[in-house]
Amino acid sequence: QVKLLQSGAALVKPGASVKMSCKASGYTFTDYWVSWVKQSHGKSLEWIGEIYPNSGATNFNEKFKGKATLTVDKSTSTAYMELSRLTSEDSAIYYCTRNNYYFDYWGQGVMVTVSS
Amino acid sequence: DIVLTQSPTTMAASPGEKVTLTCRASSSVSYMNWYQQKPGASPKLWIYGTSKLASGVPNRFSGSGSGTSYSLIISSMETEDIATYYCQQCCSTPLTFGSGTKLEIK
Repeated sequence: QVKLLQSGAALVKPGASVKMSCKASGYTFTDYWVSWVKQSHGKSLEWIGEIYPNSGATNFNEKFKGKATLTVDKSTSTAYMELSRLTSEDSAIYYCTRNNYYFDYWGQGVMVTVSS
Repeated sequence: DIVLTQSPTTMAASPGEKVTLTCRASSSVSYMNWYQQKPGASPKLWIYGTSKLASGVPNRFSGSGSGTSYSLIISSMETEDIATYYCQQCCSTPLTFGSGTKLEIK
């Protein structure tokens, strides 16, 4: 069965960066785009961007350009997102999700807390 | 960006009651997807392509709409349907979600 297993919660200082992972299993990793979605506490969902593992092609929400970097490791079927220059506004849960014209499978989420 | 406006923001329904959640888009979209999210859990795909039920979704749920107006309908509310429902437009980047409708039991 399809699974997306994300890395654990992170506590990071303002101005620092954080890199999180999303390991896919149960399907051909290179056949589907992987999207990343932000959910701030108690709020709605924001699409950050997506990456196509086969080619490394990416598309971003303009709001997150310069903030998020998306990469993949095809050998381990793992997608990564790095967030840079963190502020309190980046404290949120971040989900990876398989994008099939709809988000059909979701990881369990990574809670990122930005605090000194 | 396409803005999705969901209504109501919160609603309470009695068991057995018919429920209609609405999602309106600021521009026409090809189709709409819906997600269910319960507290502390990841969102789950619930309805895709406007009207197709995701695997395991009870058939008391249905979806309809076109252009700028879409709906998620529950024919008969059950306790397990308590959740927040989000609409999402598929096809114009940035992909966007509505602000959600929190559904409670009366």
